[in-house]
This record gives sequence, structure tokens and C-alpha cells, in this order.
Amino acid sequence: RKEVEQDPGPFNVPEGATVAFNCTYSNSASQSFFWYRQDCRKEPKLLMSVYSSGNEDGRFTAQLNRASQYISLLIRDSKLSDSATYLCVVNTGGGNKLTFGTGTQLKVEL
Amino acid sequence: EAGVVQSPRYKIIEKKQPVAFWCNPISGHNTLYWYLQNLGQGPELLIRYENEEAVDDSQLPKDRFSAERLKGVDSTLKIQPAELGDSAVYLCASSLVLGSVTGELFFGEGSRLTVL
Repeated sequence: RKEVEQDPGPFNVPEGATVAFNCTYSNSASQSFFWYRQDCRKEPKLLMSVYSSGNEDGRFTAQLNRASQYISLLIRDSKLSDSATYLCVVNTGGGNKLTFGTGTQLKVEL
Repeated sequence: EAGVVQSPRYKIIEKKQPVAFWCNPISGHNTLYWYLQNLGQGPELLIRYENEEAVDDSQLPKDRFSAERLKGVDSTLKIQPAELGDSAVYLCASSLVLGSVTGELFFGEGSRLTVL
């Protein structure tokens, strides 16, 4: 089993739709969780950290479920500019070992 | 403030040739990472430095890959000899780590390697 798993997609959604991505992780001791965004042929950039209580940033909501070992990202009222690959990142080892999932590709269409 | 700087941006070489990538992290960042990213995949960690020390190089293919971070600042990743399967984007990232708190990773634009 991979340390961090994501559905690769692609998710093709119309503008204005709500879309959710899930990510599962295998190390129950993981403490840090993030969502990164990567545009085509660009480097990954931090979208948001994921906190235990869940957190929201505008149209984006991240949640953590420790019991089931997954994190989620919800995007409301999706925009064309949201089209990108969303990478789940988890601290999977001692220290600061950050492991990336394979990424979920989102395509927002008119 | 300058971000993470990598060079070269693109490199095309023939198999069995050597290649080197250079990374200058964000000033003050104590942790530096080299990741490899294949098309359609997430970044995979090759090596992580905390200051000058390589604290995690378990996924670095040491028969052909080597890395160094002199004086805890710039870093170089070398492949010798390169194989066809090494074609990928090599990403350098840096962060400020305080104790067990993981800071945001800032990535460079990457070095795209093509091995013919």
C-alpha cells in the first residue's frame, strides 16, 4: 500500500460546480497534512494546510479524519482558473519527511 | 525576496553521460529537498538535508546519484551515468523547519532532464 493515495482523476466539472477530492494515508502517526496545487508544467505551490478541526479559505475547505486516515479538499463554485492538479502531502516519517500523493487532476469547463 | 533558484531549466543528454543540477534555496531556510517528478505522478523524495546533513537519502539511487550541500546553503544533484529512465523533472525545495514544525515547502521551477 502506498503511503499517500489519491484518485488521479481527471475530474471534469462545469464552472460553478462543487467538487471534492479525498486522500488516504497509511501512517497513523502522521501529524502534518497539506494540499498543494500544481499548474501544468509549473512547480507545486501550497494551497492550504489541513488542521484537525478542519479549515476554510474562501471557496476551499479542508478536512482531516484521523480515525479513517484521510483528508479531503472541497472546492465550491469552481472557476476555470481552478483547473490544475491537486497534490495531497503528508508527513509520513520522523522529522519532516513529506510524502506527496500522485495528484488529482481537475478540469473546470464552461 | 528571491525564491528557490534552480539551473539548468532544461537539459538534454545522451545516455551514459553525466549531468548535474544546482539549487539555491531561499535565504535562511535550513531544510532542502530534492524531488523527482515523472509525468502524471507526484514528486518523489530523493534526498532531504537539514543544514549540511543528509537526514533522509533512503530513496536516492546511490549507484548513480549523488548530492551535496556545502556550507548548508546551495546544493548539487549529480547523475553519473544517466539512463533513459532518469528522464524527469528534478525539483528542489526548501523550508524553514523549527523543531518538529514542518514549514511550507517552496519549490524551484525544476530542471527538466531528457536522456536520449
